[in-house]
Amino acid sequence: AQKITQTQPGMFVQEKEAVTLDCTYDTSDPSYGLFWYKQPSSGEMIFLIYQGSYDQQNATEGRYSLNFQKARKSANLVISASQLGDSAMYFCAMREGRLTGGGNKLTFGTGTQLKVEL
Amino acid sequence: DVKVTQSSRYLVKRTGEKVFLECVQDMDHENMFWYRQDPGLGLRLIYFSYDVKMKEKGDIPEGYSVSREKKERFSLILESASTNQTSMYLCASSLFAGGVSYEQYFGPGTRLTVT
Repeated sequence: AQKITQTQPGMFVQEKEAVTLDCTYDTSDPSYGLFWYKQPSSGEMIFLIYQGSYDQQNATEGRYSLNFQKARKSANLVISASQLGDSAMYFCAMREGRLTGGGNKLTFGTGTQLKVEL
Repeated sequence: DVKVTQSSRYLVKRTGEKVFLECVQDMDHENMFWYRQDPGLGLRLIYFSYDVKMKEKGDIPEGYSVSREKKERFSLILESASTNQTSMYLCASSLFAGGVSYEQYFGPGTRLTVT
């Protein structure tokens, strides 16, 4: 089974609107972390936001927030007030805990290409 | 700011050549990683290192080796390049503390073409 699933290969959003990028994960480890990265066309991966499995509150960083639904094993990224510069590929990733041999590695999803339109 | 640099942005090599990709980080991070990125497949881990001279295989280590002689430097080696190793290669580093690895910081990537 895929550990990280991003079902939207491509998304369009109008400038200034909010957009949700989906991510579901699969792990039996009670301790894990979820990350979102942005990859513009220049190629560099930029860290956006992190959510730990024991965090009570949903993570937020500026216009980015993570809609963490533990029971549903989903960690969707919400971008508010989209800007043209948000056009990029977005990757969800998971770090598992030591119980499953993790602790160091990230497993990445296949990504969602977001295009922001005027 | 964390800085991860890679020796080349673009590289063209011939089949059978030995290829070295170098990565340097300036934040004293314990962990360093090499990924390859192909369309539709996301990022796949080739090797990672959690200390000097220590390494572990990732998901796709075949055809690759690595070297970490100094904490700040992590090299990826293609012993005999093949056309199916044409890809984007990304290096990353992360802090390791309290038994967990924190967010990874990435270099700009090396687009390798093997002809």
